[in-house]
Amino acid sequence: KAGVTQTPRYLIKTRGQQVTLSCSPISGHRSVSWYQQTPGQGLQFLFEYFSETQRNKGNFPGRFSGRQFSNSRSEMNVSTLELGDSALYLCASSRGGPYNEQFFGPGTRLTVL
Amino acid sequence: AQTVTQSQPEMSVQEAETVTLSCTYDTSESDYYLFWYKQPPSRQMILVIRQEAYKQQNATENRFSVNFQKAAKSFSLKISDSQLGDAAMYFCACLANTGNQFYFGTGTSLTVIP
Repeated sequence: KAGVTQTPRYLIKTRGQQVTLSCSPISGHRSVSWYQQTPGQGLQFLFEYFSETQRNKGNFPGRFSGRQFSNSRSEMNVSTLELGDSALYLCASSRGGPYNEQFFGPGTRLTVL
Repeated sequence: AQTVTQSQPEMSVQEAETVTLSCTYDTSESDYYLFWYKQPPSRQMILVIRQEAYKQQNATENRFSVNFQKAAKSFSLKISDSQLGDAAMYFCACLANTGNQFYFGTGTSLTVIP
């Protein structure tokens, strides 16, 4: 069974630009969550989608948005990039119910110059 | 809301020895789940072990076991017979049964000394 894939793996952008990250969950998984990981901050929850609907949202500005398609693939968009947005962005998928293990992708390393 | 605290940013252990990583959490939920995830240098996070809060028996997975103290809201991870491959960042996480959001701690970086 293929794991969670994220594209691209590395990205360099400049301030003010926007970026779109993609996540393909494990087949059969309907829940996709996004996290921002920075040194010392651990994993900060961005949002979670289930069957194309956002079920939960973390405490991030509106510049961070996402969506999920009918095939469960998800995209995350960050507009007007700031230096502080440099981070590893992790995507995780699960079946969506309680106690369901989250399977993580390898992440996308975003660097904002 | 829930919070998860890992007070040990870094830990080290001699190969073949035992190490315990600490985690405390706070939640108002009565039904929840606790997890330990491992993130090796390759960055792919993987599940190490999980515990249902309603179960009193501590979870065990091979060399990994937890000490779950519900009243103290403590969920520590014990790694026995440490191996070089155990070197990684370890994250503690909490998931309420009523929610869909995992709350993670800031992680503990474990070094295994040969």
